[in-house]
Order: sequence, then C-alpha cells, then structure tokens
Amino acid sequence: DTGVSQNPRHKITKRGQNVTFRCDPISEHNRLYWYRQTLGQGPEFLTYFQNEAQLEKSRLLSDRFSAERPKGSFSTLEIQRTEQGDSAMYLCASAYRGGLNTEAFFGQGTRLTVV
Amino acid sequence: GESVGLHLPTLSVQEGDNSIINCAYSNSASDYFIWYKQESGKGPQFIIDIRSNMDKRQGQRVTVLLNKTVKHLSLQIAATQPGDSAVYFCAEKGAAGNKLTFGGGTRVLVKP
Repeated sequence: DTGVSQNPRHKITKRGQNVTFRCDPISEHNRLYWYRQTLGQGPEFLTYFQNEAQLEKSRLLSDRFSAERPKGSFSTLEIQRTEQGDSAMYLCASAYRGGLNTEAFFGQGTRLTVV
Repeated sequence: GESVGLHLPTLSVQEGDNSIINCAYSNSASDYFIWYKQESGKGPQFIIDIRSNMDKRQGQRVTVLLNKTVKHLSLQIAATQPGDSAVYFCAEKGAAGNKLTFGGGTRVLVKP
C-alpha cells in the first residue's frame, strides 16, 4: 500500500500523559497536513509542512501541541499533558505542490481517547 | 466500525437512483474544491475536484457542479450503489491559502 500511513490507529491515554503520533506520507509528496476531526464534524486544519518547514499553524494548535517533519519525509504530532477535549481523530494528509492537481490524500487517522 | 457523524444531514436514496449532495461555501476567493467520501472508521477518500475556472467536471459515475455566483457546489452520483453509503464532505482552498477548509458533511444512506 503506497498511501498515507498513520500509526497508531488507536490510542487510549490517561489525562495528563503525553502522546505522539506518526504519519508517513506518499513518498513523492512534499506537502504534509495535520487535521483533527471530532464526531459529526468535518476535519479541522491544524498545521502543514512544505518539505521540512512548518509553514502554517492553526489557532487550534495550542502550545501543548507540536509537530515536526525533520527530514521532509515522515511527520510526528505530539500532544503534551493531554486533556479530555483532545479526544478526536487525528488525520494526516499529503499532497504534491507543483502539479496541476493539488488534491490531498488522507491516511486512516489515529483515534485518540483521553480518559 | 465507529460512526463518523451522528447528527449530520442525511440523504436516503434508493439503490439505482441518482444522488445529489449540496454544499455552500463562504469564501469568494476560493479557487479549488474537492469532494471527499468518508466511511466509518476511515480517513476521507478523494472523489473528484474542480477549479474555479470550470463549472462542471465529470468522473466515473460522479459529476461536480460549481456555481460561483451563489457560492454553491454539488456532487451528483449516478446509479447510487450500496458502497456509496458514507459521509460526504466538500472542501475548499483559497487562492492565497494552502490548506483545505471542510464543510459540515452529508450522510448518504443507500436503501436496497
């Protein structure tokens, strides 16, 4: 499968713990996005990278959230001191900038439950 | 599997009939639009896209119509099949932006 891969698929954590998610984009894609989705809502933008540079962050991304893409390939999203309100599906998407079509392809997501 | 959305607008359609899903957008500067399909427990799946210099685009069994005057987007699915049951989202990107902004979603239920 050469699509976007996210790990883990599910994560249950206690409030106050730190969690880290990983996203492996489609190999030739230079753009990588993180979104958050809660039940009944569309995905909400969190942040995006062009290669290794983090170019935009949403106001939704509090200082407890940090994302990295150190070599311009895979990315990690860390949430520190998790809160119950962080429970959501975290989606990663990748896209290729430069082509006529710039559709973003999504991974299967990481479902986070904070108890 | 886990439900994507419990309180979404729902379109019930008979198998074999055509489906039309509507989406209104607010940003007149948006220049690129995508329809995604999301099945329970899965990430959004790309269906079809359209640029603002077009008003219609067709794919396999799907057609997207764009009316920039009233900022309205629609997705038509021909001969709806049970596998089309899912939540459908429209997404838009502004000319100066780099991210997709999603609408609220519509659940499609196909009745056999």
